Amino acid sequence: KAGVTQTPRYLIKTRGQQVTLSCSPISGHRSVSWYQQTPGQGLQFLFEYFSETQRNKGNFPGRFSGRQFSNSRSEMNVSTLELGDSALYLCASSPEPGRSGEQYFGPGTRLTVT
Amino acid sequence: QKEVEQNSGPLSVPEGAIASLNCTYSDRGSQSFFWYRQYSGKSPELIMFIYSNGDKEDGRFTAQLNKASQYVSLLIRDSQPSDSATYLCAATQGAQKLVFGQGTRLTINP
Repeated sequence: KAGVTQTPRYLIKTRGQQVTLSCSPISGHRSVSWYQQTPGQGLQFLFEYFSETQRNKGNFPGRFSGRQFSNSRSEMNVSTLELGDSALYLCASSPEPGRSGEQYFGPGTRLTVT
Repeated sequence: QKEVEQNSGPLSVPEGAIASLNCTYSDRGSQSFFWYRQYSGKSPELIMFIYSNGDKEDGRFTAQLNKASQYVSLLIRDSQPSDSATYLCAATQGAQKLVFGQGTRLTINP
């Protein structure tokens, strides 16, 4: 069974721009979560989607948004990029929301904002 | 106070010894606890989860949970150099939101 895939793997953007990251969960998994990982803050929860609905949201500004499609694929968008948004963005899938800890992570998208 | 706290390490253990990783959490409502391993430059991978007080063993790994003390630990027996990684403790919070600790960097010395 194929794992979680994320595209692109690496991205360089300029302050003020926006970016869209994509995640395809493991086949059959319907819950997708997004995380931001930085050396200083560690792994921080952004949001979780299930059945095209956002179930949970972390403490991030409204510049961070996401959505999920009917095939469970998910995208996250960051608008008006800031230098502090430079991070590894990880997507994780799980079979259903109640098993959010039993997550399988994708390889991540490394975003650099200059 | 961080919601999930871990000693950042680095923790250095000789090969073949037992590595002990500890984690405390602040939310008494947390029900489920997880240990992830993250190799440098890679994404986290789930190695253990525990829901009930006591010990749970899986191969060389044992997870321990004490809800009264709000304490979770991971023991790695017969440590191998391949166990060198950062270990992340996570706890569910509220409606199944997962909160991670900062991680403990473990080095196994041959």
